[in-house]
Amino acid sequence: DAGVIQSPRHEVTEMGQEVTLRCKPISGHNSLFWYRQTMMRGLELLIYFNNNVPIDDSGMPEDRFSAKMPNASFSTLKIQPSEPRDSAVYFCASSFTDRDGELFFGEGSRLTVL
Amino acid sequence: QQPVQSPQAVILREGEDAVINCSSSKALYSVHWYRQKHGEAPVFLMILLKGGEQKGHDKISASFNEKKQQSSLYLTASQLSYSGTYFCGTEWVAARQLTFGSGTQLTVLP
Repeated sequence: DAGVIQSPRHEVTEMGQEVTLRCKPISGHNSLFWYRQTMMRGLELLIYFNNNVPIDDSGMPEDRFSAKMPNASFSTLKIQPSEPRDSAVYFCASSFTDRDGELFFGEGSRLTVL
Repeated sequence: QQPVQSPQAVILREGEDAVINCSSSKALYSVHWYRQKHGEAPVFLMILLKGGEQKGHDKISASFNEKKQQSSLYLTASQLSYSGTYFCGTEWVAARQLTFGSGTQLTVLP
């Protein structure tokens, strides 16, 4: 069984550019989470979806960040315009349920904004 | 608000025991424990749903004290493979999202 698939694995971009991170959750999972990990702030929940509907986006840092889940097998996290402080590892995770369920993490997308 | 983990770092010799604590300022619905190795994604260890619940896997176990709003992870007779950063994740009674603590870096030396 394929796990959670994220792309790209690494992205280096310049300040002001648009960045799009992609995630394919495990088939059959109905909840999807986007986390950001930095040394300073640890693992922060940005947004999560249940049955493709955004449930809580209170962790999204600001309007430059947006996330979509057009169908059960695909989600995107977009940063426009990107800034150096957005540099982090972005993890996507999915679970069978939005509560009580084990989270399966993707391998992460390491973003560097110069 | 993040749960608080302690200690921040632990260094052990193979075969020694360790305890990692996780506490919350809000009433907890569940506690998750994950381990992350350097450069890899976090991997699920266990989830505790009920106050007083204890679980174990191999020589890693955890307890959940609902009244004190805290959980502890116990690693006994540690192995080199236990090295990594351990995160507790908490779900509050009033909110669904899983919020992670800052992590405890565990290093097991031969």
